[in-house]
Amino acid sequence: DAGITQSPRHKVTETGTPVTLRCHQTENHRYMYWYRQDPGHGLRLIHYSYGVKDTDKGEVSDGYSVSRSKTEDFLLTLESATSSQTSVYFCATWGQHNQPQHFGDGTRLSIL
Amino acid sequence: SQKIEQNSEALNIQEGKTATLTCNYTNYSPAYLQWYRQDPGRGPVFLLLIRENEKEKRKERLKVTFDTTLKQSLFHITASQPADSATYLCALDMPGVNSGYSTLTFGKGTMLLVSP
Repeated sequence: DAGITQSPRHKVTETGTPVTLRCHQTENHRYMYWYRQDPGHGLRLIHYSYGVKDTDKGEVSDGYSVSRSKTEDFLLTLESATSSQTSVYFCATWGQHNQPQHFGDGTRLSIL
Repeated sequence: SQKIEQNSEALNIQEGKTATLTCNYTNYSPAYLQWYRQDPGRGPVFLLLIRENEKEKRKERLKVTFDTTLKQSLFHITASQPADSATYLCALDMPGVNSGYSTLTFGKGTMLLVSP
């Protein structure tokens, strides 16, 4: 296993509050990804990182920002949470592109 | 844009039968395709990867085929067991929006239910 830890595992918060989700990996993988998973939509890429301080947008990046200050940590921030961002968020790492991605167990985020 | 389609309906089969799941894609020619399994409340777990120049890949009771002309992959589980019940996702590699580095685009998944 790639040793991926997501925190928190569950969070309930109110609309308009800032939220930060953390992904920590112990495998020294270069690439890290944030996805959200919603019924009827499957897994959709929010942002990803291809190195320390190097990030790019995914399919559903509006309303989200990310930061990666060191190899092992990738943070996802909702600056002002909205109810449409209620979802399950998964972090993944990728050592090489012809290899599997490794996923954490997700963060269930509810915004009321 | 890339479109990936998997059977939207759940697939119900009896134990011991072969389950066949379909993944169709359009508008792109991926270098490889991956299949993942996802159990409720857990992250996806990698099963198999097949490259564009490979027709078939096997791993124990699992078999994946990749037809780049039809733009289709089939995922087979032989001698299925109730423990195989899960959602199965296919994923294609694609270049990132700006960086050009690869990302994976996932299908919505097919739920497989194997009854005893």
